[in-house]
Amino acid sequence: DQQVKQNSPSLSVQEGRISILNCDYTNSMFDYFLWYKKYPAEGPTFLISISSIKDKNEDGRFTVFLNKSAKHLSLHIVPSQPGDSAVYFCAAETTAGSSNTGKLIFGQGTTLQVKP
Amino acid sequence: KAGVTQTPRYLIKTRGQQVTLSCSPISGHRSVSWYQQTPGQGLQFLFEYFSETQRNKGNFPGRFSGRQFSNSRSEMNVSTLELGDSALYLCASRNDIDNEQFFGPGTRLTVL
Repeated sequence: DQQVKQNSPSLSVQEGRISILNCDYTNSMFDYFLWYKKYPAEGPTFLISISSIKDKNEDGRFTVFLNKSAKHLSLHIVPSQPGDSAVYFCAAETTAGSSNTGKLIFGQGTTLQVKP
Repeated sequence: KAGVTQTPRYLIKTRGQQVTLSCSPISGHRSVSWYQQTPGQGLQFLFEYFSETQRNKGNFPGRFSGRQFSNSRSEMNVSTLELGDSALYLCASRNDIDNEQFFGPGTRLTVL
């Protein structure tokens, strides 16, 4: 059972436009969500996170929106740049309880291509 | 501040052998988590260590084990390697306050 899903394997946008990456989850116990960017043969790079007590978090060009009732989060990148081309993973975590520590559940990833 | 480091970066083993991978967390981080990335299964959690104790474990067979030392460095071991163990093994560290995990570059393990 895949608890975190990224239903779009790929996304292509023009430089300067907005990129919207989506992520759905099924486990209502998740209370912390993160987005990572990954290049081949490298480790994921942390981008931005959001706690379930918020519905929006912004950091520069990156904004994450959380809709708890729909169990959906999205990452907006504005404006998109060619250097943003990579695989983007969303991840979820249940922070309450010691048995859940350090365990991120990842989606399958979305490959973003930003065309010049 | 130096990031998470992993050694070796690449490793080739044959079936039945065992392997040990090493991870040095960011200075001051006491939590280290390990993940396996494969094309078919994606990124999957293996286990998490904090202050030399395993606090959480994923759904992997007992051939996968780990440990953490007093300086927070961690090792993971895979015994009796199988072809399906070929993967990118990633470790991530986290401090005691924030939930963000910071990943190392990974160790690419190939089992022949």
